[in-house]
Amino acid sequence: ILNVEQSPQSLHVQEGDSTNFTCSFPSSNFYALHWYRWETAKSPEALFVMTLNGDEKKKGRISATLNTKEGYSYLYIKGSQPEDSATYLCAFMGNTGFQKLVFGTGTRLLVSP
Amino acid sequence: DAGVIQSPRHEVTEMGQEVTLRCKPISGHDYLFWYRQTMMRGLELLIYFNNNVPIDDSGMPEDRFSAKMPNASFSTLKIQPSEPRDSAVYFCASSFSQGVVRLFFGSGTQLSVL
Repeated sequence: ILNVEQSPQSLHVQEGDSTNFTCSFPSSNFYALHWYRWETAKSPEALFVMTLNGDEKKKGRISATLNTKEGYSYLYIKGSQPEDSATYLCAFMGNTGFQKLVFGTGTRLLVSP
Repeated sequence: DAGVIQSPRHEVTEMGQEVTLRCKPISGHDYLFWYRQTMMRGLELLIYFNNNVPIDDSGMPEDRFSAKMPNASFSTLKIQPSEPRDSAVYFCASSFSQGVVRLFFGSGTQLSVL
């Protein structure tokens, strides 16, 4: 059974704070690691897809890094804004069962003004 | 494109009734996924299709659940008979196997079984 873990489970920060969360995944049979952003009452939307060890992706104030050898990825948000409030999901794709994504349970972020 | 379209948005039914959830993937996408979201287990993959063919249904909870994809633009997830523990949000997602692979999710169906 594939285990994809995210921490912390939830996070409450003030506007302007920078924050980061962790996704742990199996280090064997790796193909890709996805990050999704899920706002309340909406559907998950893809943020990043990373495939190579050492990959770093950035979109505005949000960035992510990937370490496939040790099986973890970090998501960073610089200068959090209230509109960043959402659940951030990571998902592991192995090199067997192509396209099959196993999701973590997410980190719920609340940014207060 | 309108994105992945799911119907209904909400479904309330009584235990024992048949429930059918519907999904229209993004045109041109060759993969379709059914996920279930619960508080306890997060997003669980139930089944997925490639070019309308079921590839992996190992996540389907039991025989009460069945899924079909009769053509590239339509899929159903059926629960018969439904039970209260089936109450959850069911998401359909689609993806295209070429280029950067990412899932596009529908808006989900909130199912309540009383």
